[in-house]
Amino acid sequence: VLTQSPATLSLSPGARATLSCRASQSVSGFLAWYQQKPGQAPRLVIYDASNRATGIPARFSGSGSGTDFTLTISSLEPEDSAVYYCHQRSDWPHTFGPGTKVDIK
Amino acid sequence: EVHLVESGGDLVQPGGSLRLSCAVSGFTLTNFWLNWIRQSPGKGLETVATINEDGSKTYYLDSLKGRFTVSKDTATNSVTLRMNSLRAEDTAIYYCARGAYGTTGVLDYWGQGALVTVSS
Repeated sequence: VLTQSPATLSLSPGARATLSCRASQSVSGFLAWYQQKPGQAPRLVIYDASNRATGIPARFSGSGSGTDFTLTISSLEPEDSAVYYCHQRSDWPHTFGPGTKVDIK
Repeated sequence: EVHLVESGGDLVQPGGSLRLSCAVSGFTLTNFWLNWIRQSPGKGLETVATINEDGSKTYYLDSLKGRFTVSKDTATNSVTLRMNSLRAEDTAIYYCARGAYGTTGVLDYWGQGALVTVSS
């Protein structure tokens, strides 16, 4: 089971966002982060804990291993407003967290 | 350019069947794992099924209890999800997604989704 915190994050443009994902048992480094905007499919942001996907800006970074992971957006842009999901592929069935909504106010 | 396009979503009665198709382009189907993921307000995102490169291995969400079947068709460059004995809780947007880097679980390309509604 993956849990994410906080449920909602409301920050100003230029602020730093820190999103947390915790697994109920170790997933080693097999954790990814996805960004989903309204009406769109999820988009891969970070895979295997700390690798940025193709085309993802450098302001996105991931860290962690085992059970505790963090997605950091160093300086928020208006287009970063979305729901962010963590996802583990360590064990079948692969599971997603409930998501963190990032609002840019 | 990589594209995945789902089709076949519909309104179906409880107990009915439906076949979803995911047409892919821009890559060779037999070189990648393909996944079906669904999203509903009640359950969030769930990985429903996955199929390996040559179609010889498939994995399913345990709670489906054999009602769903995933397959690949290289002749039509598509992946199919056959769903039987549908229940209200199967109502969701169904996405197909490609597994990247030789994995099943790094989902680098997604389709736009197909809406399945199970209701009388």
